[in-house]
Amino acid sequence: QKEVEQDPGPLSVPEGAIVSLNCTYSNSAFQYFMWYRQYSRKGPELLMYTYSSGNKEDGRFTAQVDKSSKYISLFIRDSQPSDSATYLCAADIGNFNKFYFGSGTKLNVKP
Amino acid sequence: GAVVSQHPSWVICKSGTSVKIECRSLDFQATTMFWYRQFPKQSLMLMATSNEGSKATYEQGVEKDKFLINHASLTLSTLTVTSAHPEDSSFYICSARSGTGQDTQYFGPGTRLTVL
Repeated sequence: QKEVEQDPGPLSVPEGAIVSLNCTYSNSAFQYFMWYRQYSRKGPELLMYTYSSGNKEDGRFTAQVDKSSKYISLFIRDSQPSDSATYLCAADIGNFNKFYFGSGTKLNVKP
Repeated sequence: GAVVSQHPSWVICKSGTSVKIECRSLDFQATTMFWYRQFPKQSLMLMATSNEGSKATYEQGVEKDKFLINHASLTLSTLTVTSAHPEDSSFYICSARSGTGQDTQYFGPGTRLTVL
């Protein structure tokens, strides 16, 4: 079993839709959870990271962590075609030295 | 802030030659740098972690004599793929962190290596 599991998609939504991207993890020692956006042939770009359980909001993006169910989510409101990319979740025990990445979910927002 | 660059962005080389990839932190001092490899439609695979002035720590299954990592300064790390073969063709991405507070890893734009 992989440390972090993520549905690879692809996920296709119309412009303006609310997008929900999800990951599950198996290691209860994970404390920090990251979401990265990766455009084709580019490096991952940090969107946000959260500590332990709870929500964190940044503009149209909301990250949610539920440690009791080992479930992490990223919500994108009012999705735009420019949001079309692969979204990677990652988890870390707290020293930011070894990230465990999900396989990435490819999102396509249609105009 | 937190900008990481890589050079070159893509490289094509002949089998048996060596290729050096540079990773630089542009606006912060990176005490730790990481090298990842990514195959098409797959996630990032950590290859090694390097701390400035120390030998790199390689992940299991990564040949340290083939993938030479040098982290000689707080803003520069290099990955040299020695005696490259077609199976080494991949997308190589570095990341860096400053090591202060609860900072996270910031990634470079990646280098696409094609070995003919």
